[in-house]
Amino acid sequence: DAKTTQPPSMDCAEGRAANLPCNHSTISGNEYVYWYRQIHSQGPQYIIHGLKNNETNEMASLIITEDRKSSTLILPHATLRDTAVYYCIALSGNTPLVFGKGTRLSVIA
Amino acid sequence: DAGVTQSPTHLIKTRGQQVTLRCSPKSGHDTVSWYQQALGQGPQFIFQYYEEEERQRGNFPDRFSGHQFPNYSSELNVNALLLGDSALYLCASSLGTGVHMGYTFGSGTRLTVV
Repeated sequence: DAKTTQPPSMDCAEGRAANLPCNHSTISGNEYVYWYRQIHSQGPQYIIHGLKNNETNEMASLIITEDRKSSTLILPHATLRDTAVYYCIALSGNTPLVFGKGTRLSVIA
Repeated sequence: DAGVTQSPTHLIKTRGQQVTLRCSPKSGHDTVSWYQQALGQGPQFIFQYYEEEERQRGNFPDRFSGHQFPNYSSELNVNALLLGDSALYLCASSLGTGVHMGYTFGSGTRLTVV
């Protein structure tokens, strides 16, 4: 599975959009991009995933570049409860989720 | 609709002892994966069970073993505990083993080995 690279930490003002980048330059054609987040003392929570089209659900939007080498997770109106570690994962087939270090997002009042 | 349930929530064991952790998957899910999360690190994959068989395994020694029951619940067993086994153990369930299905995680069991 492709390795992903994320910034270790980011800050975002409450109510503003949080844009979390992820680089996956070695991603192959059949690998999906998955995003999970982990709020302190809880298990990871699935957010969204996509292959090549942009995706949106009730939690977030996922923008994947046309060459699929990078993506951005967008939380449109960040709240304090969005403070968490966000993981970007590229995988295919039935391979298990492999977590990196993720991005620690701090939403500031 | 109950999510993934793990028990116990906290556990303290002595080095050399054995421990069993339990997981009930989300209703409708048939696959269970186990992860170990050390403090400050991302979760590390231990193994995955589907149809009562271990299907995939991460880089963990044989001291780590598991079981899946006909009702899809699962156990994680760790023998000969080491201080380094202290971690949060997470269970995740899914429908099938394909990546198209999102995983649902439990809140974990915090194991402390003293």
